[in-house]
Amino acid sequence: KNEVEQSPQNLTAQEGEFITINCSYSVGISALHWLQQHPGGGIVSLFMLSSGKKKHGRLIATINIQEKHSSLHITASHPRDSAVYICAPDKIIFGKGTRLHILP
Amino acid sequence: DTAVSQTPKYLVTQMGNDKSIKCEQNLGHDTMYWYKQDSKKFLKIMFSYNNKELIINETVPNRFSPKSPDKAHLNLHINSLELGDSAVYFCASSGRWARSGNTIYFGEGSWLTVV
Repeated sequence: KNEVEQSPQNLTAQEGEFITINCSYSVGISALHWLQQHPGGGIVSLFMLSSGKKKHGRLIATINIQEKHSSLHITASHPRDSAVYICAPDKIIFGKGTRLHILP
Repeated sequence: DTAVSQTPKYLVTQMGNDKSIKCEQNLGHDTMYWYKQDSKKFLKIMFSYNNKELIINETVPNRFSPKSPDKAHLNLHINSLELGDSAVYFCASSGRWARSGNTIYFGEGSWLTVV
């Protein structure tokens, strides 16, 4: 059983749609990271959260530590949001990423 | 100023060669990491150093050897390169060692192609 399960693996949506990416994990953690990687680009940390919800612009991340589940939401999605989003329960194990493609 | 910088960004080399990738962070962080990202974009940790001491050493071939001359630098040396070593290698750092806490900052990546 994988320690981190991300879904969906791939997602194509129209500009403006509300996007949700889910992450379930089995390890005990104190904080979870969401990372973003644009095609051909480096990796950026979007969020580190240990409880509740965090918001940066159009991005919202939620976590339920007891249920070992986190979600990343993008409101009013835009083509520039097209990237791979990676859930990381810690710095050692990572989800396999969600490839998001937003069509104009 | 780039927070985590790694060089070279692109490296094409022949099988059997030895190569190094350098990494430097100017964030004053105690902990540095090397990750390998394969063609499917899966990230795997290779090594981690905390204050120049090796704290994580995953199942990586002995041909890979990290070196940390000081806590701002973590270099990766690879001997006898093989085709399967072709990947993107990311250096990263975080404030102090905590398996899940502390934001992690990544370098831009080094694209290694072995031919």
